[in-house]
Amino acid sequence: NAGVMQNPRHLVRRRGQEARLRCSPMKGHSHVYWYRQLPEEGLKFMVYLQKENIIDESGMPKERFSAEFPKEGPSILRIQQVVRGDSAAYFCASSLNVGTSGLGTDTQYFGPGTRLTVL
Amino acid sequence: EDQVTQSPEALRLQEGESSSLNCSYTVSGLRGLFWYRQDPGKGPEFLFTLYSAGEEKEKERLKATLTKKESFLHITAPKPEDSATYLCAVRRGGADGLTFGKGTHLIIQP
Repeated sequence: NAGVMQNPRHLVRRRGQEARLRCSPMKGHSHVYWYRQLPEEGLKFMVYLQKENIIDESGMPKERFSAEFPKEGPSILRIQQVVRGDSAAYFCASSLNVGTSGLGTDTQYFGPGTRLTVL
Repeated sequence: EDQVTQSPEALRLQEGESSSLNCSYTVSGLRGLFWYRQDPGKGPEFLFTLYSAGEEKEKERLKATLTKKESFLHITAPKPEDSATYLCAVRRGGADGLTFGKGTHLIIQP
């Protein structure tokens, strides 16, 4: 049973270019979360999506960042006009459920991450 | 604002030397406390979920406990392969994302 898959694993972009990060959740999971890990910082929540819906984007920067989770295909985190400060590891997680606390079905399982370097 | 503080930041132990990692948290309406292990260059690997004070869970050499203000990850007779960064995270009522601590970097020397 494949886990959460992310690609590419490493991405290099020049300032001003666009970065597209992809995430395929675990089989049977329909809840996707994106996190960012800056050097020497903890993981920071960015956005939570279900199929075709953004549910919570409270951690997403207001400009240049967007996310989607279409009916078919992977979830995509898009960063437009990248700057050096966007260099980080971006992790995707998925869960089976969100509301059934206490049963473990809200546990978030993480992918291997995409390491973005902006030159 | 939710806060998670982990201590110590780094810990070096000899193989077989048991110890505990601490996670102190401030959160409104805890819906779950999560422990993960992260190896260099990899994503966090799920270890435990704790939902209420007094709850304990065990897996091999690891045991996680929870009180109303903190959680402990006890490691018994550790081996070098237990070397990793251990992350603690909380989820509060009404929120979907996890709030993470900065982690404890654990090194087990043979």
